[in-house]
Amino acid sequence: QKEVEQDPGPLSVPEGAIVSLNCTYSNSAFQYFMWYRQYSRKGPELLMYTYSSGNKEDGRFTAQVDKSSKYISLFIRDSQPSDSATYLCAMSGSGGYNKLIFGAGTRLAVHP
Amino acid sequence: DAGVTQSPTHLIKTRGQHVTLRCSPISGHKSVSWYQQVLGQGPQFIFQYYEKEERGRGNFPDRFSARQFPNYSSELNVNALLLGDSALYLCASSRTSGKGTGELFFGEGSRLTVL
Repeated sequence: QKEVEQDPGPLSVPEGAIVSLNCTYSNSAFQYFMWYRQYSRKGPELLMYTYSSGNKEDGRFTAQVDKSSKYISLFIRDSQPSDSATYLCAMSGSGGYNKLIFGAGTRLAVHP
Repeated sequence: DAGVTQSPTHLIKTRGQHVTLRCSPISGHKSVSWYQQVLGQGPQFIFQYYEKEERGRGNFPDRFSARQFPNYSSELNVNALLLGDSALYLCASSRTSGKGTGELFFGEGSRLTVL
């Protein structure tokens, strides 16, 4: 079993839809939870960063962490074609935020 | 300010050869981390260096090595290349060693193909 599980998709939605992306994990020591966006042939770009449990909102993006269920989510409101990318969840524990464990990534396509 | 820069962007090697990948962190960042991303998978941690010292190593064979220079740039070396080493190699930099909160900034990667 992988430490971080993420459905690879692909996920295809119409423009304006609400997108829900999820990851589960098995290591209860994880404290830092991130979402990265990766466009084709580019490096990952940090979208959201959450420490421990709770919600965090930034514009159209909302990140949720439920440590009791070992489950994290990223919601994208009013999705745009420019949101089409691979979304990677990542997390780390006492090793610090430089040593991230990534999910496999979910490919998202937002069509006009 | 320039982001994390990596070179070369693409390279093709044959099995058994050696490769050196280079990374320049964002100005003011003292930590460099290396990740391997195989097609269709998420990045996997290889090494972290902070202030020229190794601060972490992932589950990779000894064929993989790295170092960090006084100007905080870094090299990743892979010896005796195998077909399975074909991947996108990502370098990431951050201001601190990784404790507390912070951000990890990635470069665009070096795409290695082993034939």
